[in-house]
Amino acid sequence: QQPVQSPQAVILREGEDAVINCSSSKALYSVHWYRQKHGEAPVFLMILLKGGEQKGHDKISASFNEKKQQSSLYLTASQLSYSGTYFCGTALLSNFGNEKLTFGTGTRLTIIP
Amino acid sequence: NAGVTQTPKFRVLKTGQSMTLLCAQDMNHEYMYWYRQDPGMGLRLIHYSVGEGTTAKGEVPDGYNVSRLKKQNFLLGLESAAPSQTSVYFCASSLHRGPIYEQYFGPGTRLTVT
Repeated sequence: QQPVQSPQAVILREGEDAVINCSSSKALYSVHWYRQKHGEAPVFLMILLKGGEQKGHDKISASFNEKKQQSSLYLTASQLSYSGTYFCGTALLSNFGNEKLTFGTGTRLTIIP
Repeated sequence: NAGVTQTPKFRVLKTGQSMTLLCAQDMNHEYMYWYRQDPGMGLRLIHYSVGEGTTAKGEVPDGYNVSRLKKQNFLLGLESAAPSQTSVYFCASSLHRGPIYEQYFGPGTRLTVT
């Protein structure tokens, strides 16, 4: 039940846009996004809930398609600081209240000047 | 505030040795988690705790034990280390306000079992 992320890796020039996708085969209650820079700990970016509520950093946008159990993270006008590996974490609707996430295998984003 | 801290940062063990990894948080969070991260595998949940004195199994609990005797500490034990347990271990904690929560991660412990 690990979510599937795509693409596995992407290389962008500074200023370009990217979309990272996360999909699950099971019904989700929430999707979480984290970014991890090389050698560092993951850092929270955003949470999206079934029903539309979301919370995250101002410069990050994402969507959650409840019918398809898919989430997309949108990185616009990319900056060098956006480089890192992006992970989605999913919480199953069937486990609501269990408060544990299953993470995808990550999308490595490289921004070049 | 120090946030989430982990001790030690690095460790090399021989097969069969035991050790305990310590995670501490000063944010008064109820929930704490232990993950392992291996290349290409993402973060996999080992054990977690929803409060002092409680623990539960995650995806990959075999070969590990945990204890949460104090709210601020979450210990991960390896009783008999195996080379397959070579990994980077992350601890995390979270404060839940209804369904909204974010996990704060520690800096990680790099463990090598030879």
